[in-house]
Amino acid sequence: DGGITQSPKYLFRKEGQNVTLSCEQNLNHDAMYWYRQDPGQGLRLIYYSQIVNDFQKGDIAEGYSVSREKKESFPLTVTSAQKNPTAFYLCASSPRTGNRNEQFFGPGTRLTVL
Amino acid sequence: RKEVEQDPGPFNVPEGATVAFNCTYSNSASQSFFWYRQDCRKEPKLLMSVYSSGNEDGRFTAQLNRASQYISLLIRDSKLSDSATYLCVVGGNKLVFGAGTILRVKS
Repeated sequence: DGGITQSPKYLFRKEGQNVTLSCEQNLNHDAMYWYRQDPGQGLRLIYYSQIVNDFQKGDIAEGYSVSREKKESFPLTVTSAQKNPTAFYLCASSPRTGNRNEQFFGPGTRLTVL
Repeated sequence: RKEVEQDPGPFNVPEGATVAFNCTYSNSASQSFFWYRQDCRKEPKLLMSVYSSGNEDGRFTAQLNRASQYISLLIRDSKLSDSATYLCVVGGNKLVFGAGTILRVKS
């Protein structure tokens, strides 16, 4: 089954703790993305990577970090510096070949800071 | 001004109705256009790409007007299962997502 997996589905964190969200894809897509979604708002881009070992900040990168050591994996760390981390986090990937830049999403991780 | 703007709704329609959503975008250099569907507490799923000539997929028709910088989605013969939030997505190197329009189809 080809697709994007995210784990865990729900995550609870105490204030001051770092936490890492997993994202794996077996679609052989070059590009991967992290978004956060807050109630009633559109998706906001945190980080993206168009190729292994390279990534760029999105619109709201402060308090987050990523790595892209393998094509299949793009983990996101939410650090204690992120002021309001409670949100729905979505990972996506895209083939980015020719004119195809549509994105496909994993099921998401709901992070709650207690 | 937001890069992608949508009427948040909700649009409440009876089964069988035809409903249309519009979306405007601010970046005239945008190259790609999509409609995504998002069910409550789920991830967005690609509904259809939008092409300059307009395109249809079953009960769904998408149109693009580059001159006026808007795209539209028409749903004919609405089903209960069409109830969801519809996201307008516009982009070039990066995609920009609208906040979504809520559709509720009632029996």
